[in-house]
Amino acid sequence: QSAPSQPASVSGSPGQSITISCTGTISDVGGFNYVSWYQQRPGKAPKLLIYDVSSRPLGVSDRFSGSKSDNTASLTISGLQTDDEADYYCSSYTLRKTQVFGVGTRVTVL
Amino acid sequence: EVRLVESGGDLVHPGGSLRISCETSGFTFSNYAMMWVRQAPGKGLEWVSYINSAGDITYYSESVKGRFTIARDNAKMSLFLEMKSLRVGDTGVYFCARDYEPATVWGTADYWGLGTLLTVS
Repeated sequence: QSAPSQPASVSGSPGQSITISCTGTISDVGGFNYVSWYQQRPGKAPKLLIYDVSSRPLGVSDRFSGSKSDNTASLTISGLQTDDEADYYCSSYTLRKTQVFGVGTRVTVL
Repeated sequence: EVRLVESGGDLVHPGGSLRISCETSGFTFSNYAMMWVRQAPGKGLEWVSYINSAGDITYYSESVKGRFTIARDNAKMSLFLEMKSLRVGDTGVYFCARDYEPATVWGTADYWGLGTLLTVS
């Protein structure tokens, strides 16, 4: 099971919007609407941002939004803040009844 | 407050075995499915294993299937991962995570521990 690909890094200025892609296959991202997104700061545990492609858990800022088209899911961060600097991972349910994480994206706020 | 605290990480030689644990508090453990996720040093997250709330349904990643066994003790509110035939590639921080109930299928984690480090060398 290969990990969905994500850009190694994405950057933006405060206030801007950025989008992180997560490209898998029909066996994972493309086959199910069960993609989650996590934020992980250095030395910390991951934090759930999005589940089921576009749903947000209570307490997560609405600056984070998710979508999906074919085999690619996307996470958009709007109104970028310095606090958003972190690593971001997508995760998808798979045809083999497993979960697979994307390779991760480092977000830098310029 | 939900708390997940992993323990048992250690330095193990290739081919060795180890059991790591996750003690939980702050929620009704027996109502939730649980998972293990690992992260090699400086690398990304890798899903390892899942167990349902009753403990009778388990799933494993291909990389650990046949070598790792996930288990739980609902009375002690604890999750375990028994690891055998350890390889250098198993090195990493092992996170215990709680399954997020509102998600449509299992595998989304809402609470995570801080992890325990396994080094295979």
